[in-house]
Amino acid sequence: GQSLEQPSEVTAVEGAIVQINCTYQTSGFYGLSWYQQHDGGAPTFLSYNGLDGLEETGRFSSFLSRSDSYGYLLLQELQMKDSASYFCAVKGGNKLVFGAGTILRVKS
Amino acid sequence: ETGVTQTPRHLVMGMTNKKSLKCEQHLGHNAMYWYKQSAKKPLELMFVYSLEERVENNSVPSRFSPECPNSSHLFLHLHTLQPEDSALYLCASSQDRLGGADGYTFGSGTRLTVV
Repeated sequence: GQSLEQPSEVTAVEGAIVQINCTYQTSGFYGLSWYQQHDGGAPTFLSYNGLDGLEETGRFSSFLSRSDSYGYLLLQELQMKDSASYFCAVKGGNKLVFGAGTILRVKS
Repeated sequence: ETGVTQTPRHLVMGMTNKKSLKCEQHLGHNAMYWYKQSAKKPLELMFVYSLEERVENNSVPSRFSPECPNSSHLFLHLHTLQPEDSALYLCASSQDRLGGADGYTFGSGTRLTVV
């Protein structure tokens, strides 16, 4: 089966950089994804890493190391609107399995 | 507004009621999913439909019954639910079952309360 570990909560100040880590165990690994979910909203897709290395999309970057079964989401120049839950997810077999999520609180 | 629409947004039902959740997507995606989201737990995959065929049933109790009449619509029929079934039910779609680099598109969910 698949399992993912990520911190339950992270707090940072506006303008700072924060890294949310994710370790996973899975069979048939196809890639690591990140999703953002604001309170009362739908999870929205942020990024996908199918190969090792860093993917950058604006203020957000995501990293994957398949040999370490590890990835992270890096958020730069934090804004208040970045306060949300962030989920890592792995594709194993024909389904996407999610971690429990990390609540990010951005303080002014 | 996302490309996946779920109705109703909120639902309160008694344990003897029968109700249905509806999900609609017009993104041209071929795969649709039902997930359950409970507080402080990972999103739990319930069902996967690919090209209108159910390809995965993740050990979900029979009181949950999915239906996919066409590639744009997905239903979750509910009957004789238990209070522990109270949760946010999320529908998602993707171009194919693996999601690809574009990921899954989620609806805003139906907040279900069983009383």
